[in-house]
This record gives sequence, structure tokens and C-alpha cells, in this order.
Amino acid sequence: TQLLEQSPQFLSIQEGENLTVYCNSSSVFSSLQWYRQEPGEGPVLLVTVVTGGEVKKLKRLTFQFGDARKDSSLHITAAQPGDTGLYLCAGGYGKLTFGQGTILTVHP
Amino acid sequence: SAVISQKPSRDICQRGTSLTIQCQVDSQVTMMFWYRQQPGQSLTLIATANQGSEATYESGFVIDKFPISRPNLTFSTLTVSNMSPEDSSIYLCSVVTVLSYEQYFGPGTRLTVT
Repeated sequence: TQLLEQSPQFLSIQEGENLTVYCNSSSVFSSLQWYRQEPGEGPVLLVTVVTGGEVKKLKRLTFQFGDARKDSSLHITAAQPGDTGLYLCAGGYGKLTFGQGTILTVHP
Repeated sequence: SAVISQKPSRDICQRGTSLTIQCQVDSQVTMMFWYRQQPGQSLTLIATANQGSEATYESGFVIDKFPISRPNLTFSTLTVSNMSPEDSSIYLCSVVTVLSYEQYFGPGTRLTVT
């Protein structure tokens, strides 16, 4: 059984601060996806990474896939209140294994 | 990308009854899945919806409790049968687009069983 350990579980920061969310596993994943979910809505796909060592940027968000494809990170620069939400990493293809999620709160 | 709609968006049901959730996608997709998100939890895969054949269920989920249909490439239904309060969750349809690793989720159906 593949497991994904996501940390931290909760993150409460002030506007303008930087943060990093980690996703780690002992298993190799063919691909890894990051989602953001707001209350009452389904997860929204932010990025998919498939190549070991890959780095993708989406405005203030930077995603990295580990060289061995066992871990990933999400870094947010200068967080804004609009970044508040549940962030989920998910590994695999189709039959996704999800991390526990990180609840991010950015205070104005 | 893919636009996914689910019906109903939410429902409150009585113990012992059944509810069928519909999932419609705006384009042809290779794979369709049903996930469950219990309150305050992450997502768990229920089953893979196979076109024209029986769904493939994950450990802990059975066809009698969660019958699934997928009559074509863009539509699927999930039924939650003989409901109990423990079935109160968000049920989400998910698809993988053609020639892509990208996987999208519907808006979810929030089910409350009383």
C-alpha cells in the first residue's frame, strides 16, 4: 500500500510570509498532483509533475518533484489571504493516493 | 481540461434509503472514478467506473453498497444504498483526460444521513 505523508497538517501565517508544504513517501510515484480545495467545493488541480527533479511555477507557487519521485514540495511566496484553503498532494495515475492535507490560513 | 458536473449537489436522506449521484463530463475521458471525503478527512477511492462493465472496487467497498454504472464515456452514476449516518460524506467524481496525466474532480455531492 502506497502512503503519502503530508506536512504540516495546519499552517497559520500572516500575509506576505513564505511557506512550504511537504509530501513524502517511501514509494515511487509515476506522477504527483497538487490540489487546492475550498469548503463546499471539489479539489481544483494546481499542477501535475511527472519527471524526477521537475520544478514547475504557477505565479507565486513553486512545485518540486523529488529526483527519486518519492517526494514533492509546494512553496508559496508572499502568501495572500486568497491562498487560504486545503492543499492536497496526490500520487499515482487515476487511482490516486492522497496525503492528509494541509489547512492553510493566511491572515490579512 | 474537463468540466465535470454532479447531481445533486447536496442531499439529506433518511437512514435505510438509497441515493443515486450522477456525474457528467463535457468531453471524452479515459478513466472515471468515485471518491469519498469524510468530514475533516482527505479523499479515499471507492471504485473505478468501467464503461459497459462492472466497476472495480477498492478494499472496504462493495458493489451491493455502492453500485456504479458507466453506460458511456462521459456519464457515470454512484448509488449509496441502505444508508446509515456513517455514509455522511462528500462523494466526488473524478476523471483522467485523454492523453494526459491530469486528473480532475467534480464539485462533489454532500450527503447527510439522518
